[in-house]
Amino acid sequence: QITLKESGPALVKPTQTLTLTCTFSGFSLTTFGVGVGWVRQPPGQALEWLTLIYWNDEERYRPSLKSRLTITKDASKNQVVLTMTSMDPVDTATYYCAHRHTNGMFDYWGPGTLVTVSS
Amino acid sequence: SYVVTQPPSVSVAPGQTARITCEGNNIGDRSVHWYHQKPGQAPVVVVYDNSDRPSGIPERFSGSNSGNTATLTISRVEAGDEADYYCQVWDSITDHWGVFGTGTKVTVL
Repeated sequence: QITLKESGPALVKPTQTLTLTCTFSGFSLTTFGVGVGWVRQPPGQALEWLTLIYWNDEERYRPSLKSRLTITKDASKNQVVLTMTSMDPVDTATYYCAHRHTNGMFDYWGPGTLVTVSS
Repeated sequence: SYVVTQPPSVSVAPGQTARITCEGNNIGDRSVHWYHQKPGQAPVVVVYDNSDRPSGIPERFSGSNSGNTATLTISRVEAGDEADYYCQVWDSITDHWGVFGTGTKVTVL
């Protein structure tokens, strides 16, 4: 059974760096074709794809946020870490991590974690 | 970058059919996945690869994709189908980045 769970601060101040950890089980991030991605959703708004890391360490980033995002993985710990710099109130959102199936769909999701950016 | 557009809302009476569109340039050349999301919950796949259903998703959910429009069809709509629905594709053949549609709120009258 595949599960994922996000963890990190619920509140960050403007200009600070956000670090979120996705801890997963039920699959290995060393298996061919597997990926873990991050998606966010501002309150009352649509889903927004942010970044993804593949089993082979390839990284993908949303073009408009590429300069602020970093994704890393620790396959031995079954964790993926998202780092987002220069946080702004507009970055307030629920952040989800999700398992990317080889066909491109996100078939398993964490419950999400709400991050509020405020001074 | 690639943009996919959905109608903001669709209203449908119980027992009727709801159709949700996802429009993008030559989207028919891509594989489209559909999710529903209920308040306070994570998204759930209801259709993948344009028209396949994960196990546990009723046959009432079906999908098609051709030209510039992909469509999710919900037949015999039930009150429990009320949710936000999103389509999702990848921006290029080499999956450079993911793209979600703008989302459609389905209201069951």
